[in-house]
Amino acid sequence: QKEVEQDPGPLSVPEGAIVSLNCTYSNSAFQYFMWYRQYSRKGPELLMYTYSSGNKEDGRFTAQVDKSSKYISLFIRDSQPSDSATYLCAGGLTGGGNKLTFGTGTQLKVEL
Amino acid sequence: ETGVTQTPRHLVMGMTNKKSLKCEQHLGHNAMYWYKQSAKKPLELMFVYNFKEQTENNSVPSRFSPECPNSSHLFLHLHTLQPEDSALYLCASSQEDRSGNTIYFGEGSWLTVV
Repeated sequence: QKEVEQDPGPLSVPEGAIVSLNCTYSNSAFQYFMWYRQYSRKGPELLMYTYSSGNKEDGRFTAQVDKSSKYISLFIRDSQPSDSATYLCAGGLTGGGNKLTFGTGTQLKVEL
Repeated sequence: ETGVTQTPRHLVMGMTNKKSLKCEQHLGHNAMYWYKQSAKKPLELMFVYNFKEQTENNSVPSRFSPECPNSSHLFLHLHTLQPEDSALYLCASSQEDRSGNTIYFGEGSWLTVV
């Protein structure tokens, strides 16, 4: 079993839709969780990070963590074509450098 | 501009060549990383350096040799690679302290082994 599971997609939505991207994880030791956005042929760009269960909002993006069910989500409101990218979730551990375990990424396409 | 600069952006090398990837971070961080990203696979952590000391070697073959001369620079020396080593190699940095664990990535070096 992979430590972080993510549906690879592709996920195609119309412009303006609410997008829900989800991951499950198996490692109870993860101390924090991150969402990265990666455009084609670019490095991952940090979108959100959370340390505890609950919601964290930043503009059109909301990250949700449910540690009891080991489930993390990223919601994108009013999606735009510029949101078309691959979204990577990751669980992290500290100590001797931060160590992230990534999912495979979900490819999102927002269509006009 | 993420504050993490990688060179070269693209590299094609033969299996008998020796080449190096370079990474420089301008963020004042104390930890640096190498990750490998292959198609349809999750990013794989290869090496972690914390205060210039290697703290993680994630069972990486010896044909990959990291070097961290100081907290701002990280190299990945490559020799006798295999075609399956073709991938995007990402450098990252972070500040290892209680203020946060944000990891910033560079744009990556696309490696093709022929």
